Amino acid sequence: AAGVIQSPRHLIKEKRETATLKCYPIPRHDTVYWYQQGPGQDPQFLISFYEKMQSDKGSIPDRFSAQQFSDYHSELNMSSLELGDSALYFCASSLAAPAQLAGDYEQYFGPGTRLTVT
Amino acid sequence: ELKVEQNPLFLSMQEGKNYTIYCNYSTTSDRLYWYRQDPGKSLESLFVLLSNGAVKQEGRLMASLDTKARLSTLHITAAVHDLSATYFCAVHLDAGGTSYGKLTFGQGTILTVHP
Repeated sequence: AAGVIQSPRHLIKEKRETATLKCYPIPRHDTVYWYQQGPGQDPQFLISFYEKMQSDKGSIPDRFSAQQFSDYHSELNMSSLELGDSALYFCASSLAAPAQLAGDYEQYFGPGTRLTVT
Repeated sequence: ELKVEQNPLFLSMQEGKNYTIYCNYSTTSDRLYWYRQDPGKSLESLFVLLSNGAVKQEGRLMASLDTKARLSTLHITAAVHDLSATYFCAVHLDAGGTSYGKLTFGQGTILTVHP
């Protein structure tokens, strides 16, 4: 079965550079979530999109922005990178509320992008 | 603000033994997830628990949910080395009916199973 695809899988950037992470949700999924997991930490919610509109926002720095495109893929743009931005970035996708009737409540996580800022 | 707390945070077990991981959360939620994560890897979904009294089992793992106590447990039966990993519970808050909303994770429990 198709899974969530993230690219790149690994990214090395220097301080003050920019980075763009991409996420391709499972086909038919209309909701995308971004999470950041620092070393030894639990995943922290950053932002989510439903039908190309931002649906919720968490602890996302102002230096970061994200959007969801017409084909439902999403991009997380990170500027003025700091050492503390080094982390695993996960994208997850799901079906929205009507899918509850069908019993599909899952948020499926992608493999993650490991960002290292030097 | 929703808080999710797991305990223990570190669990060292011998093969063949049983143990339970606890997950407490502070706000009413409509569903709770358990995930497994191997080092440097993604989050693998284990269970989704939807209602009070829900119990699900898969192999040596069994999860339960008590929504009144805001408590979920992950019970490990006759542990084997392959179960060594980090286990997270995650609580869902609906963002308003049109999407599933974000997950708030517990700190994670690092499980090590020794021969």
